[in-house]
Amino acid sequence: DAGVIQSPRHEVTEMGQEVTLRCKPISGHNSLFWYRQTMMRGLELLIYFNNNVPIDDSGMPEDRFSAKMPNASFSTLKIQPSEPRDSAVYFCASSPKGTTNEKLFFGSGTQLSVL
Amino acid sequence: SQKIEQNSEALNIQEGKTATLTCNYTNYSPAYLQWYRQDPGRGPVFLLLIRENEKEKRKERLKVTFDTTLKQSLFHITASQPADSATYLCALDAAGSYIPTFGRGTSLIVHP
Repeated sequence: DAGVIQSPRHEVTEMGQEVTLRCKPISGHNSLFWYRQTMMRGLELLIYFNNNVPIDDSGMPEDRFSAKMPNASFSTLKIQPSEPRDSAVYFCASSPKGTTNEKLFFGSGTQLSVL
Repeated sequence: SQKIEQNSEALNIQEGKTATLTCNYTNYSPAYLQWYRQDPGRGPVFLLLIRENEKEKRKERLKVTFDTTLKQSLFHITASQPADSATYLCALDAAGSYIPTFGRGTSLIVHP
């Protein structure tokens, strides 16, 4: 298996632009997480999906952030409009079915820079 | 408020020694606690999980302890090697939510 696949690997954009981050979880996994990592705040949960349904989105900073999971093999995290304070590494992670998320598999992350 | 605390200062040790990292938490009643390794520019990689009713878990050179009274987990790497140098993150779920919340991690540097 290729693992969790995230794209793009790096994204540089200007303030006000729309940014879309993409994630393909491991096949057969039914939990999907989006986390954001910064030096100041560490690794923070943004949103958690189970069976393609958002279960906990309390970590989504504000209305500028939205996430979708249209099917079991694809998820997107969108920021519109982007701001410099959104600069961070965004990770997607998935977890196997029936394991109560005891082991998360992370992608390599998307390094986002908003100028 | 809920907190997960890991030493922010890097731990420097000599090759061959045992590295011990600490994870303390407050206002959580976790069902389990996880340890991950993160290398620069990469995502975290799962190492070990210990459940609330377990006191100790081992895997090769790794050992994790879990004291729910002290609200603390210790992570040990025996016979450490320079290749063990990385940031180590602990994570636990809040009140059985099964949604891992992460500490900020401790950097381990093993000197040859």
